[in-house]
Amino acid sequence: QSALTQPRSVSGSPGQSVTISCTGTSSDVGASNYVSWHQQHPGKAPKLILYDVSQRPSGVTDRFSGSKSGNTASLTISGLRAEDEADYYCCSYERSYTFLFGSGTKVTVL
Amino acid sequence: QVQLVQSGSEVKKPGASVKISCKTSGYSFTFYALNWVRQAPGQGLEWMGWINTNTGTPTYAQGFTGRFVFSLDTSVSTAYLQISSLETEDSAIYYCVRDISWRLDPWGQGTLVTVSS
Repeated sequence: QSALTQPRSVSGSPGQSVTISCTGTSSDVGASNYVSWHQQHPGKAPKLILYDVSQRPSGVTDRFSGSKSGNTASLTISGLRAEDEADYYCCSYERSYTFLFGSGTKVTVL
Repeated sequence: QVQLVQSGSEVKKPGASVKISCKTSGYSFTFYALNWVRQAPGQGLEWMGWINTNTGTPTYAQGFTGRFVFSLDTSVSTAYLQISSLETEDSAIYYCVRDISWRLDPWGQGTLVTVSS
């Protein structure tokens, strides 16, 4: 299985919004309501920031939002802050209990 | 609170074996599956598979069959990942992570395995 496709990097100035895409196929992202996003700061473990496409876990800022259209899911970070600089990975649950991660996107705050 | 605490870094020679532990706390161990994820140096996340903590049945992703074994000790709420016949390509950070209704959360802190002669 190939990883879901994400842009290698995105960047924005503080206060701006950035959107990260996550493209799969009709067998994974397109077929699943269980798309999640994970944030990973350098040297740290990943952290869940969105699940079920657009749901935020308790304690996660509402500046993170998610959506899905067809085979592509998206993560939008609004009001970009320095602390948002990290790697972001999408993850799709497939049938027969399989998870598939995206290739990862580095977000840089200019 | 829910915590997954992994064992410390390991340095091994090629051909050796390693066993990583993932001790859980703050929830009922057998209620939720545990997954393992690999991150090679400078690379992305790769799902290795999962273990049913109720039955002990492991399922391995493609590329993680044969040398990789998931196991449990339910008496101490701990999961294990054993890798045998280590290769230099196995050098990576290995994470355990709980699956709660098809979302992976929380993650262990990771265990760095370095394979070098």
